[in-house]
Amino acid sequence: NAGVTQTPKFQVLKTGQSMTLQCAQDMNHEYMSWYRQDPGMGLRLIHYSVGAGITDQGEVPNGYNVSRSTTEDFPLRLLSAAPSQTSVYFCATGENTEAFFGQGTRLTVV
Amino acid sequence: GQQLNQSPQSMFIQEGEDVSMNCTSSSIFNTWLWYKQDPGEGPVLLIALYKAGELTSNGRLTAQFGITRKDSFLNISASIPSDVGIYFCAGPPDAAGNKLTFGGGTRVLVKP
Repeated sequence: NAGVTQTPKFQVLKTGQSMTLQCAQDMNHEYMSWYRQDPGMGLRLIHYSVGAGITDQGEVPNGYNVSRSTTEDFPLRLLSAAPSQTSVYFCATGENTEAFFGQGTRLTVV
Repeated sequence: GQQLNQSPQSMFIQEGEDVSMNCTSSSIFNTWLWYKQDPGEGPVLLIALYKAGELTSNGRLTAQFGITRKDSFLNISASIPSDVGIYFCAGPPDAAGNKLTFGGGTRVLVKP
């Protein structure tokens, strides 16, 4: 079992470019979420999904879109990258409050 | 929104020392979680607490759910070099379960 797999691990984007961060889980959990981690600020929730076809906004959703067409996948899209989106992004899945995280994607927007 | 405040923000440990860190909230949490993050990795769940006053251990780690439900503590006994990393407290701010709020983290470093 891989658990939660995120790709890519590293990415550099130019301002205004778009990209999709991929997240796949093989734990068969309904709940999936995306967080961003910035120094000294812990992890902040961007978007989450309680099941296929259902998504909702977290604490910092602006500039990001998500979709959930299958239980396994929960991609995060940046439509027009900005330097403020430079961060480390973590995808998580879980149930009953216990979240399991991927290894993260380190994104730099120049 | 909900805020979790962790202290200290960073600490140095010497091998064999016991260390403590805590997490406080302005509102009640019904679950407290403690995670550890190693460099280049995602956070890994260490301990989960579900009842006020609960004291739970995982090896050399012990965590307590404060009786006011607004705080939690994590202790590491007899620290070793691999204890370095960032420790996060977290909890669901409402009955929605998996929507976690995280503290800013306590960075544990080895004394030079």
